[in-house]
Amino acid sequence: NAGVTQTPKFRVLKTGQSMTLLCAQDMNHEYMYWYRQDPGMGLRLIHYSVGEGTTAKGEVPDGYNVSRLKKQNFLLGLESAAPSQTSVYFCASSYPFWVSGTEAFFGQGTRLTVV
Amino acid sequence: AQTVTQSQPEMSVQEAETVTLSCTYDTSENNYYLFWYKQPPSRQMILVIRQEAYKQQNATENRFSVNFQKAAKSFSLKISDSQLGDTAMYFCASVSGSARQLTFGSGTQLTVLP
Repeated sequence: NAGVTQTPKFRVLKTGQSMTLLCAQDMNHEYMYWYRQDPGMGLRLIHYSVGEGTTAKGEVPDGYNVSRLKKQNFLLGLESAAPSQTSVYFCASSYPFWVSGTEAFFGQGTRLTVV
Repeated sequence: AQTVTQSQPEMSVQEAETVTLSCTYDTSENNYYLFWYKQPPSRQMILVIRQEAYKQQNATENRFSVNFQKAAKSFSLKISDSQLGDTAMYFCASVSGSARQLTFGSGTQLTVLP
């Protein structure tokens, strides 16, 4: 039971470098999300997708880009990393929330440090 | 836009005692859903309990129950017979029927003391 898998689990970047975080889910969920978690601020939504080929901005989208070319994958890109992007990143997926009994399933998180 | 507020950054409780975590939310919609998630030191996000706004009955899951006050927009979590394994960060979250965004509060760090 893989669920939601994020790669990598840890990464250290230098300021200005780029990277892509990969999220894969095997539950056939339509919705996928990228959050960042910072101390005292909970989880803040970066971008989300409600279906293959569609993406939308969340609360804190600046400095990030996303793509959802396949239903099971949701990629988060940092084009030019900044120290302010040091955080723990979580991917999540779900069915539409009006489906009875649904919930969002989360990956194990990626700890990213930008130096 | 939805907002979720957790006003207790940290709480502690003695093992076997009962503790209540507070959450308030703001939404202009009638159809929405509320959640409590638990994040232990392992960092994994685990669903504790879910409440649908159109259901008047408060949700319960074993030792976990909610007090859902729709008019007051309050959604508190009660943990009975607290166990050491309940030590975790607890997040309240909401999503409305028309929005697709799951919005989280800032979290409450709960420590269960032996």
